[in-house]
Parts: sequence; structure tokens; C-alpha cells
Amino acid sequence: TQLLEQSPQFLSIQEGENLTVYCNSSSVFSSLQWYRQEPGEGPVLLVTVVTGGEVKKLKRLTFQFGDARKDSSLHITAAQPGDTGLYLCAGVPSGSRLTFGEGTQLTVNP
Amino acid sequence: ETGVTQTPRHLVMGMTNKKSLKCEQHLGHNAMYWYKQSAKKPLELMFVYNFKEQTENNSVPSRFSPECPNSSHLFLHLHTLQPEDSALYLCASSQERFSGANVLTFGAGSRLTVL
Repeated sequence: TQLLEQSPQFLSIQEGENLTVYCNSSSVFSSLQWYRQEPGEGPVLLVTVVTGGEVKKLKRLTFQFGDARKDSSLHITAAQPGDTGLYLCAGVPSGSRLTFGEGTQLTVNP
Repeated sequence: ETGVTQTPRHLVMGMTNKKSLKCEQHLGHNAMYWYKQSAKKPLELMFVYNFKEQTENNSVPSRFSPECPNSSHLFLHLHTLQPEDSALYLCASSQERFSGANVLTFGAGSRLTVL
């Protein structure tokens, strides 16, 4: 079993639609990070959330950290083709190193 | 050059070959990492170097041999690999901190195919 479960694994939507992807765990994390990886590139950090219940916005992207610091979500409003990529969540379990989920592959069709 | 640079971007090798992957960071970070990325699997941490000293080896087979001559350069020497070692190998760097999660800056990766 994975420490961080991401869902859905794959998501294909039309431009202009809204979507939410999830990152869940039974473990508590001191912080969670979200990365986006575009084809042919390495992951790039989007945001770090550190406080339970925290909400951060990055233009059309809204990130939320669960109150219990076990889960996180990423909501994209009015998706655009440029949002296409692999979205990875990563967290630090207590006393351990950064651990990644499998990722959600998002495709936004024009 | 800025950020984290990896070479080569693509590598095809036979199981008896010896090759090396190179990573260079221009960010002044003190930690460097090798990750393996395979389809439908989470990023797997392979090695961590902090101030050019290896601080973590996640039970990686000896056919993968890392080398960190200084804080800016990291190599992954490959020999007698298996087809299942085919993957994207990502290098990353960070400014190691004692508390909180380190933010990683990744290179674009080296796509390895073992025939």
C-alpha cells in the first residue's frame, strides 16, 4: 500500500471545466507539497501547505490541507490546455523523508 | 545555466555496458538526490547527498553507484543493468533544513532504456 494515495489516477476533461484531485493518507504529515510535471520535464513545485485547514490559491488553482493534516486537495477552475501534466503530492511523515504519491495525470483538451 | 541540469537526456544501453548520468546544480544548494520514476509508481528515492556526503541509500542494487565530488555535481554510474531498470532518472537539489520539508528543484531527467 502507498503512504500517499492520489485520485483519480487519470483525468481527461475539456477546456473550461473544473476539477478536483485528491491526496489521501492514514498518516499525519508535517507538511504537504504539490508538484506539476510536464512531458519531458522534471516536477516543479506549485505550493507547500503546512497548517491543518490551510487554503492557498495560485491563480486558478486552490490547494487545501485537511484539518487533521492527513489529506489534501487541488481544485482547478476553468482548466486550460496549459494545465495538462502529472500532478504529484508529496509529504513528510513524522521523522522521515519526503514521500511522493503516484500522481494524477491530467489532460485538458482544447 | 540556471537550476538543475542533467545529461544525457536520453540513454540506450545494453545490459553489459557501463555508462554514467551527470547532474549539476547552479542554485548553491547543499543537498542532492537521485530519484527513479517508473510508470504508475511513485517517485522512488535512491540516494541522498548532503554536503557531498551520502546520507541515504534506499537499498539500491549495487549496479547503481553514485558519486558526489562536490556540492554542485552528482553522478550515477551504471553497470550490468537489467531491462527493469529502464526508467526516468531524476536529479534534484535542495537547501537542507532541520525542520519542515525540503523543497526540491528537479532536473529534466535522463530517460534510460536498457536493452
